[in-house]
Amino acid sequence: AQSVTQLDSHVSVSEGTPVLLRCNYSSSYSPSLFWYVQHPNKGLQLLLKYTSAATLVKGINGFEAEFKKSETSFHLTKPSAHMSDAAEYFCVVSDPPVHASGGSYIPTFGRGTSLIVHP
Amino acid sequence: ETGVTQTPRHLVMGMTNKKSLKCEQHLGHNAMYWYKQSAKKPLELMFVYNFKEQTENNSVPSRFSPECPNSSHLFLHLHTLQPEDSALYLCASSQEGPLAGGSYEQYFGPGTRLTVT
Repeated sequence: AQSVTQLDSHVSVSEGTPVLLRCNYSSSYSPSLFWYVQHPNKGLQLLLKYTSAATLVKGINGFEAEFKKSETSFHLTKPSAHMSDAAEYFCVVSDPPVHASGGSYIPTFGRGTSLIVHP
Repeated sequence: ETGVTQTPRHLVMGMTNKKSLKCEQHLGHNAMYWYKQSAKKPLELMFVYNFKEQTENNSVPSRFSPECPNSSHLFLHLHTLQPEDSALYLCASSQEGPLAGGSYEQYFGPGTRLTVT
């Protein structure tokens, strides 16, 4: 079974300061992990993904995340926030499909973290 | 058109109406999904289609009826909905199986904002 916990429902930062959005996961396997962003009235957009390669993953718009197996964490960071980063962020975990030939990918979404950026 | 498109973008319907939501993906993917996103609630997976076959039905009420005629199109037929069904309905697609290389990331459409009156 898999689960994901986003530790903060809201994070507020000033423009130009670092961003940290926290995510912890639970998985019985070697999971794939993702971060998505959703701007108001829009669909979700993939920011970055971890799929058992390098543990430090770089994504779009200057975001990156580090997979820490010992801590079961996959926190999202950015060195300097922009006003345009204000959005909802979702951490997602997925165990591999059970069939060797592939199968349905059933992701589990966190509840989301709302990032607020002040001028 | 590129990516995943959804129509209509907004829909207002009465509880006795019948309407359909449409999703089309232009990415050559073989799996498609319906999600419901309500305010203050986590994203809820409704249905999954893999190679046009329904592989998941997440205990969704029968007033929601999915249809996947081919791997590029997905419909959600709506019938006698309730006000609590008002939400943003998101469609997504992904490439699954060995060709995907194990990544399985999803690509989302912009959603249909549904209001049931």
